Amino acid sequence: NAGVTQTPKFRVLKTGQSMTLLCAQDMNHEYMYWYRQDPGMGLRLIHYSVGEGTTAKGEVPDGYNVSRLKKQNFLLGLESAAPSQTSVYFCASSRTDPGADQPQHFGDGTRLSIL
Amino acid sequence: SQQGEEDPQALSIQEGENATMNCSYKTSINNLQWYRQNSGRGLVHLILIRSNEREKHSGRLRVTLDTSKKSSSLLITASRAADTASYFCATVSGGSNYKLTFGKGTLLTVNP
Repeated sequence: NAGVTQTPKFRVLKTGQSMTLLCAQDMNHEYMYWYRQDPGMGLRLIHYSVGEGTTAKGEVPDGYNVSRLKKQNFLLGLESAAPSQTSVYFCASSRTDPGADQPQHFGDGTRLSIL
Repeated sequence: SQQGEEDPQALSIQEGENATMNCSYKTSINNLQWYRQNSGRGLVHLILIRSNEREKHSGRLRVTLDTSKKSSSLLITASRAADTASYFCATVSGGSNYKLTFGKGTLLTVNP
């Protein structure tokens, strides 16, 4: 099993451009998450989904949109990229909610630079 | 906002020594989880301890939880160079069951 796969692995954008990050999981997990990781800040939750067709805001949702049209895929969109969105983005999934003692499974990240 | 805070921020030891990392948090929790992140990779789940547990073992890992002090520790025994990584604690708080809140991590370097 591949687990959680993120594409692309690296990307450089110009300010104002848009792009979509794709996350795919093959574990039939209900919950999926998008985080960003910045130096000295740890991981911060951007958006999450508790099942197909659902999305919700996390800690730092501004400037991002998400969609979960299929259970196995969770897309993160940047409508108009800004330098402040330069970061490493991680997707994760879990079988059910973390409160039910479920660990999260992470992809290897997308390194995004906004010039 | 960060719930868990790891201490120390960085730790350098020799192969074969034990490594201890600590995590403090602020609010009551359902469970606390430890993750490892190798350079350039995603996080990997190591161990989960429930709020009603005090100690848990997995191979060379030992985790303790003291809910009265709102703290946890991760002990790696007989460390190896391959244990070099960043280690993060993450908490699930009551009322926010969907959300894992991560600390900023401890960078462990194990020198051969």
